[in-house]
Amino acid sequence: EVQLVESGGSLVQPGGSLRLSCAVSGFRFIDHYMDWVRQAPGKGLEWVGRGRNKANSYTTEYGASVKGRFTISRDDSKNSLYLQMNSLKTEDTAVYYCARGVLDYNNYVWFDSWGQGTLVTVSS
Amino acid sequence: DIQMTQSPSSLSASVGDRVTITCRASQDISNCLAWFQQKPGKAPKSLIYAASSLQSGVPSKFSGSGSGADFTLTISSLQPEDFATYYCQQYKSYPLTFGGGTKVEIK
Repeated sequence: EVQLVESGGSLVQPGGSLRLSCAVSGFRFIDHYMDWVRQAPGKGLEWVGRGRNKANSYTTEYGASVKGRFTISRDDSKNSLYLQMNSLKTEDTAVYYCARGVLDYNNYVWFDSWGQGTLVTVSS
Repeated sequence: DIQMTQSPSSLSASVGDRVTITCRASQDISNCLAWFQQKPGKAPKSLIYAASSLQSGVPSKFSGSGSGADFTLTISSLQPEDFATYYCQQYKSYPLTFGGGTKVEIK
């Protein structure tokens, strides 16, 4: 069974830093792209960024609102994905989900599995 | 960035109704379109990818169609467990973007 479990969410002050983790099981983590998606309270879904797999040199992509502040990394030996969040702003308050990327038949990557999410609150 | 516009933003329907939700992209995304269902307090659940392919384990009452810029999600016979918010998402180009969501409520 595919499982993704996020952790690390907490209350942090504006300007602070936080690292989220996503521990996975039930599949070959090393083969997959992994993404972070967030959802502010009462709002819709917002893509945060993507970490590609080893075969694609672990390269990353980010949404404009977090680029330069957030960094996605992974440790394939620990089956874990990370999101390092720096210079946090109140508008970063959200539930953060990790999601597994899989290829469709046109070789584009979509999300087939999601974690349960972890809440990050940025407030003084 | 590709803008994804869903309509309606909310709808009221009865058990047994056929429900259709539309999603329009601001440019051609071919069939790089996914649909997700989200219930309150829960993570999104993947329903459909490549515009019309059903994710494994998703009941066949859900169907998707469209290509290019216009897409639809149809629920053939609404059941109590289907009352939720539905999101479309394009994965053709970065940044990946979601529609604003359609909340399906009980009439």
